Amino acid sequence: NAGVTQTPKFQVLKTGQSMTLQCAQDMNHNSMYWYRQDPGMGLRLIYYSASEGTTDKGEVPNGYNVSRLNKREFSLRLESAAPSQTSVYFCASSETGRIYEQYFGPGTRLTVT
Amino acid sequence: SQQGEEDPQALSIQEGENATMNCSYKTSINNLQWYRQNSGRGLVHLILIRSNEREKHSGRLRVTLDTSKKSSSLLITASRAADTASYFCATSGNQFYFGTGTSLTVIP
Repeated sequence: NAGVTQTPKFQVLKTGQSMTLQCAQDMNHNSMYWYRQDPGMGLRLIYYSASEGTTDKGEVPNGYNVSRLNKREFSLRLESAAPSQTSVYFCASSETGRIYEQYFGPGTRLTVT
Repeated sequence: SQQGEEDPQALSIQEGENATMNCSYKTSINNLQWYRQNSGRGLVHLILIRSNEREKHSGRLRVTLDTSKKSSSLLITASRAADTASYFCATSGNQFYFGTGTSLTVIP
């Protein structure tokens, strides 16, 4: 099992460009999450999907959109990238609900110039 | 605002010593979890303690939870160089929040 996979691993964007970060899990988990990690800030939840077909905003959703394509895949889109979105992005999955442990992907390091 | 705050922010110890890190949180929780992150990697789940539990052990890890003080501690006994990593607490209630982390360095 690959667990949680993310693509790409690294990306450099210019301000105003758009891109989609891809995430897939093969553990048959219902819930999936997108976080960003900034120095000294820990991880902050951007969006989550409790189950296929549902998405909800987290702590820092502004500037992002998500799509739960199917049970396996959960993508994060930046429509118009800004330097403040320079960060490391992590996708995670878990059994249904937030009470369960989360399994993390390796992360995408995004730089917006 | 962050739900969990770890203390200390950084900790440096000799191999074989014990490492203790603390987490404080603000609101009621269902459970509290601890994760480890090696440099440049994703987070790995270590241990989960439910709100009705006071202490839990897993190998060299010991976690305590005091819901009256809204705090938890993670003790790593007989530390090894491979324990060098950042450690995060995460609280699960209405939302799921991670703390800011403790950076642990174990010197061989």
